[in-house]
Amino acid sequence: QEKVQQSPESLIVPEGAMVSLNCSFSDSASQSIWWYQQHPGKGPKALISIFSNGNKKEGRLTVYLNRASLHVSLHIKDSQPSDSAVYLCAVSVTGGNNKLTFGQGTVLSVIP
Amino acid sequence: EAAVTQSPRSKVAVTGGKVTLSCHQTNNHDYMYWYRQDTGHGLRLIHYSYVADSTEKGDIPDGYKASRPSQENFSLILELASLSQTAVYFCASRETGRNSDYTFGSGTRLLVI
Repeated sequence: QEKVQQSPESLIVPEGAMVSLNCSFSDSASQSIWWYQQHPGKGPKALISIFSNGNKKEGRLTVYLNRASLHVSLHIKDSQPSDSAVYLCAVSVTGGNNKLTFGQGTVLSVIP
Repeated sequence: EAAVTQSPRSKVAVTGGKVTLSCHQTNNHDYMYWYRQDTGHGLRLIHYSYVADSTEKGDIPDGYKASRPSQENFSLILELASLSQTAVYFCASRETGRNSDYTFGSGTRLLVI
């Protein structure tokens, strides 16, 4: 069974800072990696995904995937108070009916 | 706009009672999922379905049943609710296609007393 671990557990940064979130996974056959954002009392919302080794940039978000080290990171440039939320890393495995396995999440607080 | 609607939004149930959580999607998606969220555990998959009238076990199915009577509706049933089933439950849908993302509902907060 796929295992997904995220770090840090929580993070407090000043507005405008660069935020870096980490995620490690256990199955090298993982098909795709997703980052979700979850605000209090809401369901998770997909932010960005990556399927191939390397990096992908969308607006203020950049994700880096290294399959050899089973590691993916999410970077948020110029963080805003509205970015304060729980960030969840999720991995799907080939042949697993595309079920997503989630990490435990990182709580991000951006202070004005 | 594509949506996943869960009901009720919150519920208090007594130990040993039966609880049914409902989920309705207007996305025309084939796949539907039930997850539970506990502090420190992220989301864990309970049951899922990829076609009406069929359900599959997820990673933590014990104590739960699921029902998919139509493409739009997916229910989670706790026949004998227990204290350990206190959690927030999320339903999600996904279209067929290996790289499609999940659309989540807003969750049902269940307290078993």
